[in-house]
Amino acid sequence: GQSLEQPSEVTAVEGAIVQINCTYQTSGFYGLSWYQQHDGGAPTFLSYNALDGLEETGRFSSFLSRSDSYGYLLLQELQMKDSASYFCAVRPLEDGGFKTIFGAGTRLFVKA
Amino acid sequence: NAGVTQTPKFQVLKTGQSMTLQCAQDMNHNSMYWYRQDPGMGLRLIYYSASEGTTDKGEVPNGYNVSRLNKREFSLRLESAAPSQTSVYFCASSDQQGGSGNQPQHFGDGTRLSIL
Repeated sequence: GQSLEQPSEVTAVEGAIVQINCTYQTSGFYGLSWYQQHDGGAPTFLSYNALDGLEETGRFSSFLSRSDSYGYLLLQELQMKDSASYFCAVRPLEDGGFKTIFGAGTRLFVKA
Repeated sequence: NAGVTQTPKFQVLKTGQSMTLQCAQDMNHNSMYWYRQDPGMGLRLIYYSASEGTTDKGEVPNGYNVSRLNKREFSLRLESAAPSQTSVYFCASSDQQGGSGNQPQHFGDGTRLSIL
């Protein structure tokens, strides 16, 4: 089976850096994705790590370590608009990689 | 370019009633998905369709049926609604071909469904 664990809430100050962790138990997967969802909105794709290491997209970076069963999303220069929920997700090797399993999400509160 | 369109946006049903949620995408994507989102539980996959003409069960398929009507449209049906099916339902599409290459999922705005 597959399971992903994330902290339920994280609070940080505007302008700071915050790291949202995702630990997983899975028999094998193609890669780790991150999605953002504002209250009342739809999830939107942020980043994807197929291989171990760091992927950078503007203020956001994502990291994967398969040997540690661990990944994280790093948000720099936090802005108020970054207040949202963040979900990690994996595509298990089974079923050809079409399924996506999401974590329960981390709610980020950015304070002034 | 509308992306993924879901109808209706809100619906209230009585226990035992039936309902079909509609989803259409205009991005020529092969894969389509239905999720439900409950507080504190993230997104859970109900059914997916890897390509036109195929459908497969996800994590929580019980109580639901789906139809991939054509490449654009993927509907979700509740035959006999139960209060436990009160949730926000999201449809998504992707150009995922399977295998290691990743294509992001594009989500609709959701259907907020309450069952009394």
